[in-house]
Amino acid sequence: DGGITQSPKYLFRKEGQNVTLSCEQNLNHDAMYWYRQDPGQGLRLIYYSQIVNDFQKGDIAEGYSVSREKKESFPLTVTSAQKNPTAFYLCASSIRGEGSTEAFFGQGTRLTVV
Amino acid sequence: AQTVTQSQPEMSVQEAETVTLSCTYDTSESNYYLFWYKQPPSRQMILVIRQEAYKQQNATENRFSVNFQKAAKSFSLKISDSQLGDTAMYFCAFMKPSASGGSNYKLTFGKGTLLTVNP
Repeated sequence: DGGITQSPKYLFRKEGQNVTLSCEQNLNHDAMYWYRQDPGQGLRLIYYSQIVNDFQKGDIAEGYSVSREKKESFPLTVTSAQKNPTAFYLCASSIRGEGSTEAFFGQGTRLTVV
Repeated sequence: AQTVTQSQPEMSVQEAETVTLSCTYDTSESNYYLFWYKQPPSRQMILVIRQEAYKQQNATENRFSVNFQKAAKSFSLKISDSQLGDTAMYFCAFMKPSASGGSNYKLTFGKGTLLTVNP
């Protein structure tokens, strides 16, 4: 089945550690996105990528890094520079075209700093 | 300035009644896309309805319809015959060409409206 997979579902990190969240899609979508969701804040865009080896900063990129070495994969690293990393993270991929524009989402990763 | 504004943090409606959720957006682009997504307690994001800016006709999907006012930059969602399963967080989203140019399209969300359908 085609879809977008995020792993792990729950992740715990000690302060000062980097951690990488996985996002894989087999929908052959060009665009991929990472969002952070906090209560009352909606979904805030961290990074997005339209093509391999290219990505753009979103609205809250500080303390995060990404790579896009393969079309199918867009991992997000939460670095120790991110001061408040505890949040729910959502990955999405999208297709854009007449009648078929839509973003598909993974099931999310809940990151907790302990 | 916020790109997508949802002015109603919470709303409630009685089962079988109609409710309208509001959304406004800010852009100088002429080519863009608008969406409403639903996020139930499972937190899985589900597409409810979409609208291409170049289409004047309002999109409809069964009980869900939009009122797209391009000049006013408004994109409201109407839910008819509300059902208990409609209880969820609803997000308005806006996809437009990125300022970085090329083929990049930025997808931005509002803060959401929590809709509760009461029996």
